[in-house]
Amino acid sequence: KQEVTQIPAALSVPEGENLVLNCSFTDSAIYNLQWFRQDPGKGLTSLLLIQSSQREQTSGRLNASLDKSSGRSTLYIAASQPGDSATYLCAGGTGFQKLVFGTGTRLLVSP
Amino acid sequence: NAGVTQTPKFQVLKTGQSMTLQCAQDMNHNSMYWYRQDPGMGLRLIYYSASEGTTDKGEVPNGYNVSRLNKREFSLRLESAAPSQTSVYFCASSDRGESPADTQYFGPGTRLTVL
Repeated sequence: KQEVTQIPAALSVPEGENLVLNCSFTDSAIYNLQWFRQDPGKGLTSLLLIQSSQREQTSGRLNASLDKSSGRSTLYIAASQPGDSATYLCAGGTGFQKLVFGTGTRLLVSP
Repeated sequence: NAGVTQTPKFQVLKTGQSMTLQCAQDMNHNSMYWYRQDPGMGLRLIYYSASEGTTDKGEVPNGYNVSRLNKREFSLRLESAAPSQTSVYFCASSDRGESPADTQYFGPGTRLTVL
């Protein structure tokens, strides 16, 4: 059974810092790996999706990598801004879009 | 283009009451999903519908029923609510669930409290 873990649970950084969020999964037979953003009281917004055949994806200041052999994915945020403050969730696809979610990293970027 | 909409936004029930959570999407997606989100547990899949006319159980289906009314709408019913069903419920949709390139689009959620 796929299990997804995110460390740290919370992170506080000053504006402008580059940061890395970590996600680990137990089953390397992963369909895809997705990163979502969740603002307080809101739904999830998809940030990046890495298919199992890919190693990384980039969107603006965000870069996500996938290493199936080590069971890890990282989300790199460059030059963080206060507007990046949110909870970031990673989810492993186990087939037919069955997503197994981690519990998230709550990020606070201070001005 | 509203995306995925959910009603109601908030609901308080007493133990044993029933209710239906409504979800609709306007993206012509084939697949739809219901999740619940609990503190410290992450989102867990309750039921999903691969296409109109089909539904399947997810990780935590007990106590719930679903109906894929048409391609746009997917409802979640609690027949006899229990305090353990206090949670935030999210509906999601995706274009073709079988593709690894396909992402899911989420609604804003329904916050349900069962007393």
